Amino acid sequence: GQNIDQPTEMTATEGAIVQINCTYQTSGFNGLFWYQQHAGEAPTFLSYNVLDGLEEKGRFSSFLSRSKGYSYLLLKELQMKDSASYLCAVKDSNYQLIWGAGTKLIIKP
Amino acid sequence: ETGVTQTPRHLVMGMTNKKSLKCEQHLGHNAMYWYKQSAKKPLELMFVYNFKEQTENNSVPSRFSPECPNSSHLFLHLHTLQPEDSALYLCASSQTDGSGANVLTFGAGSRLTVL
Repeated sequence: GQNIDQPTEMTATEGAIVQINCTYQTSGFNGLFWYQQHAGEAPTFLSYNVLDGLEEKGRFSSFLSRSKGYSYLLLKELQMKDSASYLCAVKDSNYQLIWGAGTKLIIKP
Repeated sequence: ETGVTQTPRHLVMGMTNKKSLKCEQHLGHNAMYWYKQSAKKPLELMFVYNFKEQTENNSVPSRFSPECPNSSHLFLHLHTLQPEDSALYLCASSQTDGSGANVLTFGAGSRLTVL
């Protein structure tokens, strides 16, 4: 079966760096997405990786290794507003999105 | 209004009621989706519409009935639901071009509680 694994919850300190990992086993690969979802709000798109390597967007970076079935989202200079759930999703060979259960990130002062 | 708008934001209904969830997108996208989000579980895709035609129905019980009258509006009609149907129902839209890079734009969801 197809599976996306990510930690259920993580805690980090304001101003620090946190890395949220995502591993996947899917039938084929057509890209990996990260979304951010604040409590009670819509998920919003953060990043898309289809080639190996690191994509940087301001304080957020996303890394992909297709050979390892692995991605991470790196958040730098954490702010309280970064407290949210982070959803990892992979498009399989049929362009179906397979979702992880999300990682709840708690930022402490 | 911009983006994807869902109404109502909260809904409480009994198992014998009939209600509908509404979704409207103002982005000119050609695809719309219904997802179910339950606590600590992955998003579950329920229905997909491309150019108003239903292209996916992921074994969803018949007590959920989608309707897509045009490419900007999507409804989810609910009847004789079960308590386990209580969840956040998310609508999303995207512009599909056959590639893997289509980004979903989500609404804020309708929080459904079935008593």
